[in-house]
Amino acid sequence: EAQVTQNPRYLITVTGKKLTVTCSQNMNHEYMSWYRQDPGLGLRQIYYSMNVEVTDKGDVPEGYKVSRKEKRNFPLILESPSPNQTSLYFCASSSGLVSNTEQFFGPGTRLTVL
Amino acid sequence: SQQGEEDPQALSIQEGENATMNCSYKTSINNLQWYRQNSGRGLVHLILIRSNEREKHSGRLRVTLDTSKKSSSLLITASRAADTASYFCATDRRGAQKLVFGQGTRLTINP
Repeated sequence: EAQVTQNPRYLITVTGKKLTVTCSQNMNHEYMSWYRQDPGLGLRQIYYSMNVEVTDKGDVPEGYKVSRKEKRNFPLILESPSPNQTSLYFCASSSGLVSNTEQFFGPGTRLTVL
Repeated sequence: SQQGEEDPQALSIQEGENATMNCSYKTSINNLQWYRQNSGRGLVHLILIRSNEREKHSGRLRVTLDTSKKSSSLLITASRAADTASYFCATDRRGAQKLVFGQGTRLTINP
């Protein structure tokens, strides 16, 4: 089954404790991205990647890191999480350009930073 | 700045009625997409309309695009309880590989 998977689905952590949220897709997609969703703010793009070893900042990259060493994986790293990073995070992938291609979303990761 | 803005923020209708949601944006786009999100879950792509198209249909969905007014509408006909969800428009920015989402319209279909 074609899908985007994220792990963990739920995470409660404390300020400053490094964490990684994994994202994997099995559709051989070149384009992957991370979004956060907050009430009243909708979805905002954090980082995106157009291919292996090619990443770029989205609209809210501060406090996050990403890497794209393999085509299928695009982990999101929070090196020193803070409470304002409490949010619902989504990974998405697509086969081509964002502008003209359907985005496939993962199920989401609900992160709480205490 | 937020590219897409949906209107209304919330909409509640009876099953069988039609639901219309609107999206406005600020800058030139290549295409506009609509997505659905069931509560707390991932978004699901519904339809993509290109900037040179004015209307597009997919099953019970009808999307219109007016580039002169920088607006789009999503019409769901003969609504069902399963249509209860949040609906988002998403636009690209010309020259950038970014998809910008609006805040969404929360649609409730009452049985």
